[in-house]
Amino acid sequence: ETGVTQSPTHLIKTRGQQVTLRCSSQSGHNTVSWYQQALGQGPQFIFQYYREEENGRGNFPPRFSGLQFPNYSSELNVNALELDDSALYLCASSLDFRSVSEQYFGPGTRLTVT
Amino acid sequence: TQLLEQSPQFLSIQEGENLTVYCNSSSVFSSLQWYRQEPGEGPVLLVTVVTGGEVKKLKRLTFQFGDARKDSSLHITAAQPGDTGLYLCAGKANQAGTALIFGKGTTLSVSS
Repeated sequence: ETGVTQSPTHLIKTRGQQVTLRCSSQSGHNTVSWYQQALGQGPQFIFQYYREEENGRGNFPPRFSGLQFPNYSSELNVNALELDDSALYLCASSLDFRSVSEQYFGPGTRLTVT
Repeated sequence: TQLLEQSPQFLSIQEGENLTVYCNSSSVFSSLQWYRQEPGEGPVLLVTVVTGGEVKKLKRLTFQFGDARKDSSLHITAAQPGDTGLYLCAGKANQAGTALIFGKGTTLSVSS
């Protein structure tokens, strides 16, 4: 059974640029949630995708957007990067949205905005 | 807004000591989870507690859910260096129903 994978591992971008982060969910899981974890903080919910549709969104601006593909892999896109966007971005998959309490996290993508 | 407050924020102890980490909220949660996160990795689920008053044991780790389902604790007996990491509690956000709310975490350092 393949776990949750994320790419790239690390990324450095300049303020104003755009970035795309990728996540492959665990086999058999149709729900993917994205979280932002700033240094010294717990993860904060960005949004969730269930069967290719957004199924909930946290308190993040519209420049944070996402996609989920038929194979349930997912992308997180961030436009007009700001310095405060520097964080660890975590992807988590679950069997479906009803079992969000049983999420499995990937290793994260460390984004640095300069 | 539902919040989870964890204490202490940092804990540095010697191998063999016991410790307790707390997770408190003014809101009721349908379930609470405890995760451990190591540097450069994502959180790993340790346990889920669902019933008020529930106690679960995982080797040297004991997890308790408060009777009112507003708080939880994690007790580690005879801590080992391998227990070092960031311990996070998380609860299902009742309003959204689809996301987890995380506390800020407790950073534990166990030295030999």
